Amino acid sequence: GAGVSQTPSNKVTEKGKYVELRCDPISGHTALYWYRQSLGQGPEFLIYFQGTGAADDSGLPNDRFFAVRPEGSVSTLKIQRTERGDSAVYLCASKRGLAEPGELFFGEGSRLTVL
Amino acid sequence: EDQVTQSPEALRLQEGESSSLNCSYTVSGLRGLFWYRQDPGKGPEFLFTLYSAGEEKEKERLKATLTKKESFLHITAPKPEDSATYLCAVQAGTASKLTFGTGTRLQVTL
Repeated sequence: GAGVSQTPSNKVTEKGKYVELRCDPISGHTALYWYRQSLGQGPEFLIYFQGTGAADDSGLPNDRFFAVRPEGSVSTLKIQRTERGDSAVYLCASKRGLAEPGELFFGEGSRLTVL
Repeated sequence: EDQVTQSPEALRLQEGESSSLNCSYTVSGLRGLFWYRQDPGKGPEFLFTLYSAGEEKEKERLKATLTKKESFLHITAPKPEDSATYLCAVQAGTASKLTFGTGTRLQVTL
């Protein structure tokens, strides 16, 4: 597709369950970011990949959160033992290698609800 | 810690009524300030990058300006389709991440 694709668009789970959120970036974009957005707030940085490696994971809130990008394209954000406070929209964004630093292309997000 | 504060939280304008949105920031070593537009249920859409004080960028009815402490997004003669949340973000030092403000929710009515 032409844009960043995120699946699922909506996920409802129970407290304590495991969740995976997938991001398919724009073809050829080497940089990939995950952000989290709570209601009425701006996006909050989680993790940044350059190619296959996590170049900056300083935004991951704790060790229940983990993300991978094994082939330098699709990325999966994994959340273990979900808590109600994890409920938010998880946004993925990608960027061309030579693009301006803030020129990110965002997907529509995966809305996670933890009951 | 980098901080971005946007005001007002919400703004209601009539079509054609020009106004400005404010983004004030505290950051160590600004590399760039960015404006995004976000429609309900969508991801943010990139609008502008500003790098240094005095710089201006324009796109249709929008103009973004930057000083050493704040940025303004000026909206001239807005139309209902300009209704959205406008987000400001900064990039500092050697970090790749963006720090976002909470946004200004703009509603333009006929």
